[in-house]
Amino acid sequence: DAKTTQPNSMESNEEEPVHLPCNHSTISGTDYIHWYRQLPSQGPEYVIHGLTSNVNNRMASLAIAEDRKSSTLILHRATLRDAAVYYCIPFSGGYNKLIFGAGTRLAVHP
Amino acid sequence: DAGVIQSPRHEVTEMGQEVTLRCKPISGHDYLFWYRQTMMRGLELLIYFNNNVPIDDSGMPEDRFSAKMPNASFSTLKIQPSEPRDSAVYFCASSSLGGLQDPEQFFGPGTRLTVL
Repeated sequence: DAKTTQPNSMESNEEEPVHLPCNHSTISGTDYIHWYRQLPSQGPEYVIHGLTSNVNNRMASLAIAEDRKSSTLILHRATLRDAAVYYCIPFSGGYNKLIFGAGTRLAVHP
Repeated sequence: DAGVIQSPRHEVTEMGQEVTLRCKPISGHDYLFWYRQTMMRGLELLIYFNNNVPIDDSGMPEDRFSAKMPNASFSTLKIQPSEPRDSAVYFCASSSLGGLQDPEQFFGPGTRLTVL
């Protein structure tokens, strides 16, 4: 399984953009990069995923480095509801088996 | 759809007692996962099923833990006998076979287990 490195914690102010980095230097060429987040007292929820190209959806954007050794989850305008632990997960193939690391705890201040 | 349903939401029991956690996956999903989350170890995959068949139980900590999926709409995780170190939040998740590179999982609200 590819190893990931994420900051333990980050802070942001409401309505400001947030860039959450993830290093995954051992990622294989066929691994997708998935992001999940876990709001307080809830189960994780899917945010976004990508392979090589940058990706956008209603929740966030995912910027993937050209060498694929790192990626950045971008929340364009943080809200208080975005306060959560964010997990970057290279998907190593196989039967839908996701391995969660420690993630980044994001605090959003009013 | 109501999403993944877990019961009970909270369980407090005494050491040595049997504990059964229940999960109803999203209708039509082929995969079901059981996770455990603690402060010390984070979120760990215990076991997962595909079409009601256990595929990988390498995360099950020991023989005291067992999981079953008798049909596509129900699964149980049983701990017998329970120990204080089993105290954790247990999550159930399900997903559909949307391709091996598209494994979005939908998580339930979790069961918070406390073993005294």
